Amino acid sequence: EPEVTQTPSHQVTQMGQEVILRCVPISNHLYFYWYRQILGQKVEFLVSFYNNEISEKSEIFDDQFSVERPDGSNFTLKIRSTKLEDSAMYFCASCRDQGREKLFFGSGTQLSVL
Amino acid sequence: AQSVAQPEDQVNVAEGNPLTVKCTYSVSGNPYLFWYVQYPNRGLQFLLKYITGDNLVKGSYGFEAEFNKSQTSFHLKKPSALVSDSALYFCAVRERSGGYQKVTFGTGTKLQVIP
Repeated sequence: EPEVTQTPSHQVTQMGQEVILRCVPISNHLYFYWYRQILGQKVEFLVSFYNNEISEKSEIFDDQFSVERPDGSNFTLKIRSTKLEDSAMYFCASCRDQGREKLFFGSGTQLSVL
Repeated sequence: AQSVAQPEDQVNVAEGNPLTVKCTYSVSGNPYLFWYVQYPNRGLQFLLKYITGDNLVKGSYGFEAEFNKSQTSFHLKKPSALVSDSALYFCAVRERSGGYQKVTFGTGTKLQVIP
């Protein structure tokens, strides 16, 4: 089965630093998502992306966050100035059709902000 | 707004016994319902989905789920639990929102299958 790949698997950063989390969605997919999961808590929606623009974002996705798909394959999540509370597992997901299709998730990037 | 509730933080079941992981949902329109499983240090994996049709949906690894519209529930079931089924299970709902659809996840239920 095709996979969504995420790099790095672990990222440690200092508070206030910028981080970029990378994702390579499945090649024929058109809809892309970022979710995060704080340790032991629920999986939270951050943002959805379609046709090179954000289609929806949650209240978590403030001005410190941005996404882009710079080269038609990678899908990145940037956090400009990390905070302690940004520490979480970040999951990228994609699907071919926004309707009834399941989401394919990557294995996640564990972000630790010190 | 769509939402999903998983009332149990943890479910313990003996190996070989049937298991049920509960989920209730709230949407304004027709729900698309999903179950995902998360093994330690792994991403979420799709188990099964309900879109329309037969209320009993069969999925991966012998799991099934029953859609009950009157009770707004979508409980996950398996007739005979395996130790390898021990994982975190997430119920999810998808509904059109502002022209696009996002998936909303429940808080997750940890399933512990005891040998």
